[in-house]
Amino acid sequence: AQSVAQPEDQVNVAEGNPLTVKCTYSVSGNPYLFWYVQYPNRGLQFLLKYITGDNLVKGSYGFEAEFNKSQTSFHLKKPSALVSDSALYFCAVRDMSQAGTALIFGKGTTLSVSS
Amino acid sequence: SAVISQKPSRDICQRGTSLTIQCQVDSQVTMMFWYRQQPGQSLTLIATANQGSEATYESGFVIDKFPISRPNLTFSTLTVSNMSPEDSSIYLCSVYGRGGVTDTQYFGPGTRLTVL
Repeated sequence: AQSVAQPEDQVNVAEGNPLTVKCTYSVSGNPYLFWYVQYPNRGLQFLLKYITGDNLVKGSYGFEAEFNKSQTSFHLKKPSALVSDSALYFCAVRDMSQAGTALIFGKGTTLSVSS
Repeated sequence: SAVISQKPSRDICQRGTSLTIQCQVDSQVTMMFWYRQQPGQSLTLIATANQGSEATYESGFVIDKFPISRPNLTFSTLTVSNMSPEDSSIYLCSVYGRGGVTDTQYFGPGTRLTVL
């Protein structure tokens, strides 16, 4: 069975500082990995995904994520945080060997960026 | 990317009643799913909506409580039956398209349900 762990309920960072939101995963096959963001009273927005190739993936709004197979991790990063980045972030995984399956989500991490 | 709409966007319902949520996509998609997001929680997969056949339910979810229809490649409904306050959640429709298993999965805006 596949699963995703986001070990931090909340991450606090000052505006202009780098941010990292952690994610580890478990799948039986090779993973497809995704990050989504949810702003209050709004739906889920896709940020980026890792399918194959370069381990560093760049996405929307200046976010990037690094796939590390040996550590089974896919941490979300941004070099310089903005107050507007404050939101709820979800990591999700799909097992590459299981066609037609839905994403499984981590519990989410609330990012709070202070000015 | 797919554009997904859901109706209603929110509703307040009485215990014991049922609500049907509609999901409409602007293009034909391969896969459609329904998720539940309880207050302060993550997204939990309810079922995969299969075109022309019965939905595939995840553990803990049953057809009698959450009947699902998918008559074509752009539309699905989820009914929450015999509601109780524990059903108060956001219900989200999600799709991915003809790119297959590597495709990005997109989400509708959600239906916020409150059961009194």
